[in-house]
Amino acid sequence: LAKTTQPISMDSYEGQEVNITCSHNNIATNDYITWYQQFPSQGPRFIIQGYKTKVTNEVASLFIPADRKSSTLSLPRVSLSDTAVYYCLVGNYGQNFVFGPGTRLSVLP
Amino acid sequence: GAVVSQHPSWVICKSGTSVKIECRSLDFQATTMFWYRQFPKQSLMLMATSNEGSKATYEQGVEKDKFLINHASLTLSTLTVTSAHPEDSSFYICSAQGKGNNEQFFGPGTRLTVL
Repeated sequence: LAKTTQPISMDSYEGQEVNITCSHNNIATNDYITWYQQFPSQGPRFIIQGYKTKVTNEVASLFIPADRKSSTLSLPRVSLSDTAVYYCLVGNYGQNFVFGPGTRLSVLP
Repeated sequence: GAVVSQHPSWVICKSGTSVKIECRSLDFQATTMFWYRQFPKQSLMLMATSNEGSKATYEQGVEKDKFLINHASLTLSTLTVTSAHPEDSSFYICSAQGKGNNEQFFGPGTRLTVL
């Protein structure tokens, strides 16, 4: 299972764009990249998933370079309610996700 | 979207008793379900993986006789913490994955406190 590395914490201000980069050097050919958000005492919430290039949905964008050894989650115009822990995971159908420590994002007013 | 529920959301029990936690996929069939444990300020740790109709696969260090997992149907998996002790107090989270789907959908978690 591919291991991921993310910054432990990040600070931002309301209205700014936040980019969180994740490294996954040994990602397998069939692995997808998935990002989750977790608030205290809640289960992780799916944000976005991608395989290559760029994926965009109503809450975030995911940029994946051609070698797929890293990925960047982009959150446009964050608000205080975006303060949470963000996890980057790689894996394929049927495989469990190995959770790293995640990135603790603090959005300041 | 896919919804996974857990019941109960929180439970307090006495040391030595057993507690059952249910995980349900409400609008899809979950061929695989995962159980995680999360201690305060820490990341999720996988306990076991269960496929419908077969025995669960436990991670190293997780006692299968203490954490009984049953995945009897495509929409329900249960985790029973037997003879619970205070050190078992934690946040237990399940996730479910449908056939051919790469996404895992997580439940809201169950807070277990053992006195």
